[in-house]
Amino acid sequence: SQQGEEDPQALSIQEGENATMNCSYKTSINNLQWYRQNSGRGLVHLILIRSNEREKHSGRLRVTLDTSKKSSSLLITASRAADTASYFCATDARGNTGKLIFGQGTTLQVKP
Amino acid sequence: EAGVVQSPRYKIIEKKQPVAFWCNPISGHNTLYWYRQNLGQGPELLIRYENEEAVDDSQLPKDRFSAERLKGVDSTLKIQPAELGDSAVYLCASSSGGLQETQYFGPGTRLLVL
Repeated sequence: SQQGEEDPQALSIQEGENATMNCSYKTSINNLQWYRQNSGRGLVHLILIRSNEREKHSGRLRVTLDTSKKSSSLLITASRAADTASYFCATDARGNTGKLIFGQGTTLQVKP
Repeated sequence: EAGVVQSPRYKIIEKKQPVAFWCNPISGHNTLYWYRQNLGQGPELLIRYENEEAVDDSQLPKDRFSAERLKGVDSTLKIQPAELGDSAVYLCASSSGGLQETQYFGPGTRLLVL
């Protein structure tokens, strides 16, 4: 069973706009990771945020984590057409070390 | 550095036939994972290996699925016999082990059971 729920399921924006995706999970976690998947490809790791961190940046990516609300968000700033992909959050739940539980993903389309 | 290699990339079989998928992880990665990804869903873990030992196979349907990683390097996932509901993408991933490690995914094998 999947732990995470992602919102929205699909997002369509214009190039240059920001994209925000949200992820909620159910159990306590060690860390939360975000992955990107281009159509027909495997997943690519984007960023990992630990349970004791609240915000993390990597290039145009900004991830926040609110453990009290069991939620995370991924912000992509100044989006590009190449950002078109599906984005998944994954949690490494406490007591299940090394096992990632993925959400259903958000499909992002960036129009040029 | 080569990434995770999987073969075949695509496979079409008729139901009740056997099928096997192969994965070669990143060199030096002790931990290997097999995931199944249904259309429009996130990946779900089937089995996790630490070297040659299966440390988590709780999600593997053992009546028809089997996996092995004999020398602690490459791995094979088998389905026998395949059912229509097995149509999915089978992803292999590896990591260097330890806690809170990033997983590196292969391109997957897309299976269609007719």
